[in-house]
Amino acid sequence: GAVVSQHPSRVICKSGTSVKIECRSLDFQATTMFWYRQFPKQSLMLMATSNEGSKATYEQGVEKDKFLINHASLTLSTLTVTSAHPEDSSFYICSAKRTVVNTEAFFGQGTRLTVV
Amino acid sequence: AQTVTQSQPEMSVQEAETVTLSCTYDTSESDYYLFWYKQPPSRQMILVIRQEAYKQQNATENRFSVNFQKAAKSFSLKISDSQLGDAAMYFCAYRSANFGNEKLTFGTGTRLTIIP
Repeated sequence: GAVVSQHPSRVICKSGTSVKIECRSLDFQATTMFWYRQFPKQSLMLMATSNEGSKATYEQGVEKDKFLINHASLTLSTLTVTSAHPEDSSFYICSAKRTVVNTEAFFGQGTRLTVV
Repeated sequence: AQTVTQSQPEMSVQEAETVTLSCTYDTSESDYYLFWYKQPPSRQMILVIRQEAYKQQNATENRFSVNFQKAAKSFSLKISDSQLGDAAMYFCAYRSANFGNEKLTFGTGTRLTIIP
């Protein structure tokens, strides 16, 4: 199966700083990548859809200026949490989809962000 | 908007027995995909099984099978011969078949415990 690598797996940062999370498709080209957030014992909530070479599409209620998404190549999308606060602490998961229509997306291993 | 409902927050089953996890969804679309994902303690999302709405035949993958009732908008997962490694959170998910709208909408999940 296709491999999606997410880095880092864990990160602790101080309030007010920014942190970048990378999502890479290792063995396929991904036109579209998705960023999810998962609170403890809850489901995955889509934050934004990232398309290579264009602006990300954010879900309602997600602050685009706080959660910056860049999808500069067919194998890499990044999520930057700017001016992080403790309430941004969560588990962030990316998934990447091949360029072929109607294939499933593959998930990264997730990043646990703790803001102190 | 599509919604996915999992009414069983927790389920348990004896090892080697069979268990069925329930999922219902709501959509006005006629063509879509349904998925069951497994999230073990590692939190890596693993695709268990996928069903195309246009297919009447229920999908099967080894010990995993679904009961897809399109008219009732029901999509249950049956796990046969349950194994200790099946213990995880299970999420039902919906995806439109429309190109450009391929985000996943997840249910709230069912935590499955396997009793030795």
